[in-house]
Amino acid sequence: QVQLQESGPGLVKPSETLSLTCTVSGGSISGYYWSWIRQPPGKGLEWIGYISYSRSTYYNPSLKSRATISIDTSKNQFSLRLSSVTAADTAMYYCARDRGSDSWSDYWGQGTLVTVSS
Amino acid sequence: QVVLTQSPSASASLGASVKLTCTLSSGHSRYAIAWHQQQPEKGPRYLMKLSSDGSHTKGDGIPDRFSGSSSGAERYLTISSLQSEDEADYYCQTWGTGFRVFGGGTKLTVL
Repeated sequence: QVQLQESGPGLVKPSETLSLTCTVSGGSISGYYWSWIRQPPGKGLEWIGYISYSRSTYYNPSLKSRATISIDTSKNQFSLRLSSVTAADTAMYYCARDRGSDSWSDYWGQGTLVTVSS
Repeated sequence: QVVLTQSPSASASLGASVKLTCTLSSGHSRYAIAWHQQQPEKGPRYLMKLSSDGSHTKGDGIPDRFSGSSSGAERYLTISSLQSEDEADYYCQTWGTGFRVFGGGTKLTVL
């Protein structure tokens, strides 16, 4: 059974960079695509972007180039960096596995709460 | 860009059935979607992928009580024999190369 686990600081200061890592267990990171999704408190899901095992990336244009996703196949991990954060970036952040570039998410992590505050 | 529309809330009685709807925006009626369930204080869980012809592929361990169907631009999730643990938010998702889109979610209350 594939499992995903997010990790990273729970508190980030405004204007700084949010950094999260997703560790994949129970399966290989190769051959799939890997997404980051977030959910502000009391709101719905927002797709941030995805990366392929071959390092191709796509991002939600609404994030205006602040997001960067990277992958480390040797560690079975992928990561998110979100720069110049504001209070509007406070959210639960989820990682998920996508079955392909043109596909849906079929496994999700439990999420990690990131609060942006001074 | 494709938009998914869901009713904000729905309710049904314990043991009854409920049908949730996800509507694809104009011009996108052939898109497949996926349904995800988010129980309180938990991460989302993939339920099924649902094609425009109504065929669906369920995730691991999803009970037979959950089924999907399609009609035109509408995609449905039917939950039968409602149980208390079905009280959750339900999101639909669609996709293409370079994008993923979620609906706003439907909060299901089991009475």
